[in-house]
Parts: sequence; C-alpha cells; structure tokens
Amino acid sequence: EDQVTQSPEALRLQEGESSSLNCSYTVSGLRGLFWYRQDPGKGPEFLFTLYSAGEEKEKERLKATLTKKESFLHITAPKPEDSATYLCAVQATGDYKLSFGAGTTVTVRA
Amino acid sequence: DTAVSQTPKYLVTQMGNDKSIKCEQNLGHDTMYWYKQDSKKFLKIMFSYNNKELIINETVPNRFSPKSPDKAHLNLHINSLELGDSAVYFCASSLRGEQFFGPGTRLTVL
Repeated sequence: EDQVTQSPEALRLQEGESSSLNCSYTVSGLRGLFWYRQDPGKGPEFLFTLYSAGEEKEKERLKATLTKKESFLHITAPKPEDSATYLCAVQATGDYKLSFGAGTTVTVRA
Repeated sequence: DTAVSQTPKYLVTQMGNDKSIKCEQNLGHDTMYWYKQDSKKFLKIMFSYNNKELIINETVPNRFSPKSPDKAHLNLHINSLELGDSAVYFCASSLRGEQFFGPGTRLTVL
C-alpha cells in the first residue's frame, strides 16, 4: 500500500525565515507526486505535480523538488499569507486515487 | 466561476438520519472523486467515477452510496448516519493527473 509521511507536523516561521517541508513516500510505481495547499475551512488547492526524480517546480516563494524517496517543498522568505497546511500526495502508475500525507501546518509570523 | 462546487457547505443532523451531498464540476473533467477528511485532517479516498462508471470503491460502509447521473455530477448519499461519520467530505475532479477539490461539506452527526 502507498505510504506518505510528512514532517514536521507543524512549523512556525518568522517572516523572511526560509525553511523546507519534507514528504517521504513509498509507492509501487510513481505516476506523480502532488503538493497542495489547504487553508482553514477550504478545499485543497493544487500547487505542483512532479513526475520524476530530479524534477523541480517553482511558484512565487515555493519550490518543490523530487528524489526517488522524498520530496521537499522549500519556502523562501515566507510571508504571513503563506500560512496554511501543505499536503503531499502520491499517485501510483495505473491508479486514479491520490494517497495523502497528514500535512504540515505552516504559521508565518510578521 | 466555481470549478468544483458542493452543497450544502454545512450539514448538521441526528444519528440514524439519511442525507445527501451534491457535487458539480464545470471543468469538463472525466473523473470525479469523494474524499473524507477526519478530525486529524487526514484525507482519504472513498469513491471515484470515470465517465459515470465506478472505478474506485475503497473500504467504506455500504451505508455510503455514490451516484453519478452524468460526467459533471457526483452525489453522495449516506444512510443511517452514525457519530463516526462526522467529518469534512470533499469532492474532486481530474482530467489526467491533477485533482481539483471543492470547498468541502462539514457533516456533524449529533
């Protein structure tokens, strides 16, 4: 069964203090690894898809990277509006469903 | 211009009642999903339909029955509600990989 483990569970940052979130995964064959952002009371918002080791994607202050065992979401010079729960999910080859991790809740203080 | 919409947003009901949640997407996607997010924020797949055909049916009590009248709609009917059914239910849709989520329905069973 696909497994996704995210760490840390929670991260408190000062505005401008860069950091990284980790997503470790085991999957029979990786079709894609997905990052989502979820704000309180809302549905997950799609951020990135990564398909193969070595791939990187960027969006504003966020950068996602992928190896064969884990993915990192780097937050550079975060702002308070980056506060959210960040969810990682994997999709196995030939499968439709996403298997999610428990998320990392990021709080950025001004 | 809501891409994936759900109704109702909140649902409060008594144990033993039957209730339905509706989902609609205007993205032209072929595949739709129901996920359950428990109190620990863990998202878990329940069902998926592709072109109105059930393709994923995870280990879910048969009190839960999905119905897809057409590609744009996926409803969830729950019979004989139990306290443990209290959660946030998310609908999602996808064309190939990336899944796009609705705003969620918070179900509270008293």
